[in-house]
Amino acid sequence: DTEVTQTPKHLVMGMTNKKSLKCEQHMGHRAMYWYKQKAKKPPELMFVYSYEKLSINESVPSRFSPECPNSSLLNLHLHALQPEDSALYLCASSPPGADTQYFGPGTRLTVL
Amino acid sequence: AQSVTQLDSQVPVFEEAPVELRCNYSSSVSVYLFWYVQYPNQGLQLLLKYLSGSTLVKGINGFEAEFNKSQTSFHLRKPSVHISDTAEYFCAVSSASKIIFGSGTRLSIRP
Repeated sequence: DTEVTQTPKHLVMGMTNKKSLKCEQHMGHRAMYWYKQKAKKPPELMFVYSYEKLSINESVPSRFSPECPNSSLLNLHLHALQPEDSALYLCASSPPGADTQYFGPGTRLTVL
Repeated sequence: AQSVTQLDSQVPVFEEAPVELRCNYSSSVSVYLFWYVQYPNQGLQLLLKYLSGSTLVKGINGFEAEFNKSQTSFHLRKPSVHISDTAEYFCAVSSASKIIFGSGTRLSIRP
């Protein structure tokens, strides 16, 4: 298995909803990442988990809450989002001691 | 601090013509460099990477890039493009567990 998977592919939610994005990899990678990408822009780093511990939080608002239940799984819990949070959310992972990141296909989020 | 500059926001080219997408970086330390491709409505796919060794790096889909330390460049090339190469291309540099992306170059192929 040589890929990063993300579910759902598309998500539409209201500003009062609670939802979660899921990311999974079975490549033995020990670092996992969440990015946010707006249209026609490069991805922006949100969070980094290293060996299941949060190592980097790029000053992301608390309405985004990451969770890493085990070495293969990364979640992003969403609550009380704003319309400007609508974007493509990308997950990535990288092998131990390596800088190369491998990306999933993303979840297209629309906040109404 | 490390940074990446992609000099062209858009590059139109005819099918079967050669193409070069330009990337310059700034760094005070040794760098790892990457090119990623993003097809419409998809995630990012790694095209190629330079970690060390030979300065000419070959990637997938017939792309290659050359690391030039003196010019701090890592330009991406393909000798003959295809319609299926239409996509956004991101140059990137790694820095302290992060990847710093350039602003992207949109490659559009004309038949």
